[in-house]
Amino acid sequence: DAGVIQSPRHEVTEMGQEVTLRCKPISGHDYLFWYRQTMMRGLELLIYFNNNVPIDDSGMPEDRFSAKMPNASFSTLKIQPSEPRDSAVYFCASSFTAGRSYEQYFGPGTRLTVT
Amino acid sequence: ELKVEQNPLFLSMQEGKNYTIYCNYSTTSDRLYWYRQDPGKSLESLFVLLSNGAVKQEGRLMASLDTKARLSTLHITAAVHDLSATYFCAVASGTYKYIFGTGTRLKVLA
Repeated sequence: DAGVIQSPRHEVTEMGQEVTLRCKPISGHDYLFWYRQTMMRGLELLIYFNNNVPIDDSGMPEDRFSAKMPNASFSTLKIQPSEPRDSAVYFCASSFTAGRSYEQYFGPGTRLTVT
Repeated sequence: ELKVEQNPLFLSMQEGKNYTIYCNYSTTSDRLYWYRQDPGKSLESLFVLLSNGAVKQEGRLMASLDTKARLSTLHITAAVHDLSATYFCAVASGTYKYIFGTGTRLKVLA
């Protein structure tokens, strides 16, 4: 299994630009999570989906952030417009409910720098 | 609201020594996870603890869970340099959400 796939791995953009991060979960997993990691705030859950439906977006910081999951194998996290304080590593993770452990498997992350 | 605290935040130890990392949480939960993160890398799952009294061991690492005390420990035995990394605990909040601890940055000195 290829694991969770994220793209791009690195993104550098200017303030005000739109940024789109992409994630492909592990095949067969029915939960998908987006996290943000910064030195100041640690690992924060932004939003998660079950069977492509957003369940909890209470961690999304502002209306500038939006996430979609159009099908079971693809999700996007979009920031528009981007700001320097959005600079962070964004992780996608997936899990499946068939196993009672509910263990989350993390992708390699996207390092976002907004200048 | 579930809060998760880890201590210490930083740990520098000599090779061959033993040490314990602590993970405390504020409200009831019956599942806890330990992850390892190397610099610039993703999170790698180490242990899944699913019940009170659960104990898991892998190599020089052993994790345990006491749900009544709301405490998990990650014990390191005879540390080696390759164990240098940041270790996170994550506590289940409800069925599917995790709340992560602050992380413990471990440095093992030769």
